[in-house]
Amino acid sequence: ETGVTQSPTHLIKTRGQQVTLRCSSQSGHNTVSWYQQALGQGPQFIFQYYREEENGRGNFPPRFSGLQFPNYSSELNVNALELDDSALYLCASSLGTPGLYDELSYNEQFFGPGTRLTVL
Amino acid sequence: KNEVEQSPQNLTAQEGEFITINCSYSVGISALHWLQQHPGGGIVSLFMLSSGKKKHGRLIATINIQEKHSSLHITASHPRDSAVYICAVPALNTGNQFYFGTGTSLTVIP
Repeated sequence: ETGVTQSPTHLIKTRGQQVTLRCSSQSGHNTVSWYQQALGQGPQFIFQYYREEENGRGNFPPRFSGLQFPNYSSELNVNALELDDSALYLCASSLGTPGLYDELSYNEQFFGPGTRLTVL
Repeated sequence: KNEVEQSPQNLTAQEGEFITINCSYSVGISALHWLQQHPGGGIVSLFMLSSGKKKHGRLIATINIQEKHSSLHITASHPRDSAVYICAVPALNTGNQFYFGTGTSLTVIP
């Protein structure tokens, strides 16, 4: 069973550029969540994908978009990069049943190592 | 106001000391996570608990659902425990979406 992987590990972009970050879910997981973690802060929820559909979104502008593929891997795309987009981007996979949460249906999230994005 | 509050933000301890990190939350939950994040970013789940207490090695986590409070204790702390400890709660009726605390940065000095 492989864990969650992310690529690239580090990335440097300039303001105004576009970036695509990738996440491969743990085997068997159908849900991927993306988080942004600024330096010294806790992660902030960006959005979640369940079976290729967006299932919930945090307080991020539309220039943050995503995709989930049939093999449940996922991409995070950020257009028109701003300096404040510099952060660690984490993805987490789980075997979820979005819309129904209780202790019985909840499944633990497994985090990837993150992609550190620097916008100059 | 953040949905999840942690204290302290930073903690420095001598090797061997008993450490407590606190977490309070305001949203309705059925379970709470304690996560460990090492320099470089990787996050590891330490505990998921919904009541009472759980113990794993030198780590102990407790939760009081009525008071919406949880604590993470580290006994006989060691320099390899140095990391950021994050409290996270999945909000009810939102699947697996999390609210995170800002983390407690722990440094254990030999």
